[in-house]
Amino acid sequence: KQEVTQIPAALSVPEGENLVLNCSFTDSAIYNLQWFRQDPGKGLTSLLLIQSSQREQTSGRLNASLDKSSGRSTLYIAASQPGDSATYLCAVMDSSYKLIFGSGTRLLVRP
Amino acid sequence: DAEITQSPRHKITETGRQVTLACHQTWNHNNMFWYRQDLGHGLRLIHYSYGVQDTNKGEVSDGYSVSRSNTEDLPLTLESAASSQTSVYFCASSSWGFGDTQYFGPGTRLTVL
Repeated sequence: KQEVTQIPAALSVPEGENLVLNCSFTDSAIYNLQWFRQDPGKGLTSLLLIQSSQREQTSGRLNASLDKSSGRSTLYIAASQPGDSATYLCAVMDSSYKLIFGSGTRLLVRP
Repeated sequence: DAEITQSPRHKITETGRQVTLACHQTWNHNNMFWYRQDLGHGLRLIHYSYGVQDTNKGEVSDGYSVSRSNTEDLPLTLESAASSQTSVYFCASSSWGFGDTQYFGPGTRLTVL
């Protein structure tokens, strides 16, 4: 059974720092991996989607990498801002096209 | 603009009552999903549909049902609400491709007393 783990569960950094959020999964037979952002009381917003054949995707200050063989993905946020404060969720799409989510990393960027 | 909406946003009900949560999307997406989010568990898939008249069970489907009579709507019904079903419920939709990005609604916070 696919399991997705995100470390750390919470992170607090000063504004301007570069940071890395980690995601690991137990079964490398994935269709894709997605990173979402969730603001308090809101739904999820898709940030990046990496197909299983890809190694990374970039969008603005965000860069996500995928190492399928080791079951790991990282989300790199450059020059963090207070507006980046949110919960970041990693999800893998399994071979039956269902998303399996991690529990998320709650990020606080202090001004 | 196309969107996905959920109603109600907050609901309090009593144990044993039937509850229906609405989900409506204007993306004209073929695929729709229901998740629940609980502390320590992330989001877990309840039911999903790949088109009109198609419904499938997810990881935590016991006590829930869905029906898909048109493209835009996938209502989630709790047949007899239980306290263990207190949670935040999210609806999502995606386009024809099974691996496409899912777009999420704002969520419904359900409390079962």
